[in-house]
Amino acid sequence: AQSVAQPEDQVNVAEGNPLTVKCTYSVSGNPYLFWYVQYPNRGLQFLLKYITGDNLVKGSYGFEAEFNKSQTSFHLKKPSALVSDSALYFCAVRDTNRDDKIIFGKGTRLHILP
Amino acid sequence: DTAVSQTPKYLVTQMGNDKSIKCEQNLGHDTMYWYKQDSKKFLKIMFSYNNKELIINETVPNRFSPKSPDKAHLNLHINSLELGDSAVYFCASSQNSPLNTGELFFGEGSRLTVL
Repeated sequence: AQSVAQPEDQVNVAEGNPLTVKCTYSVSGNPYLFWYVQYPNRGLQFLLKYITGDNLVKGSYGFEAEFNKSQTSFHLKKPSALVSDSALYFCAVRDTNRDDKIIFGKGTRLHILP
Repeated sequence: DTAVSQTPKYLVTQMGNDKSIKCEQNLGHDTMYWYKQDSKKFLKIMFSYNNKELIINETVPNRFSPKSPDKAHLNLHINSLELGDSAVYFCASSQNSPLNTGELFFGEGSRLTVL
């Protein structure tokens, strides 16, 4: 069965420093991988996705993520964090060998310290 | 013009009551979903409809009944509400086709509180 793990409940980063939010996945076929962000009392917003091609994908608000097939990881990164990046981040996976179900990780709360 | 809209945004009700949440999308997508987000922020898929046809039905009590009158609408009706049903329910839509990789577009959520 497909699954996605976000090992950190919370990540604290000083403003201006690079940030990484970790995600690993497990699928039987080829994965479609996604990152979403959720601000308080809001719905989830799509940030970026990996489908095929370049392992480094760029998304909204200066975020990028690197697909690593051998480590089954898809970590979210940003070179220089902003206080406004503070939010809840979800990694998600869709298994192309199964139905169209998209499974979410448990979320990682990102705190950017001023 | 909101892409995925849900009503109501907040719902407070007593145990045992029946309530509905409505969802509409104006993106022209062919697939719609209901997700439940609990107090720990875990997101779990409940149902998915493609062109009005049920395609995903996770292990959800049969007190929950989705209805899709057309591909732009997916409503959720809940009978005999229980305390454990308190959560935020998110509607989402996507366009799943060989040319589109189906990222989800979410509504703002409907916060259900059962007393």
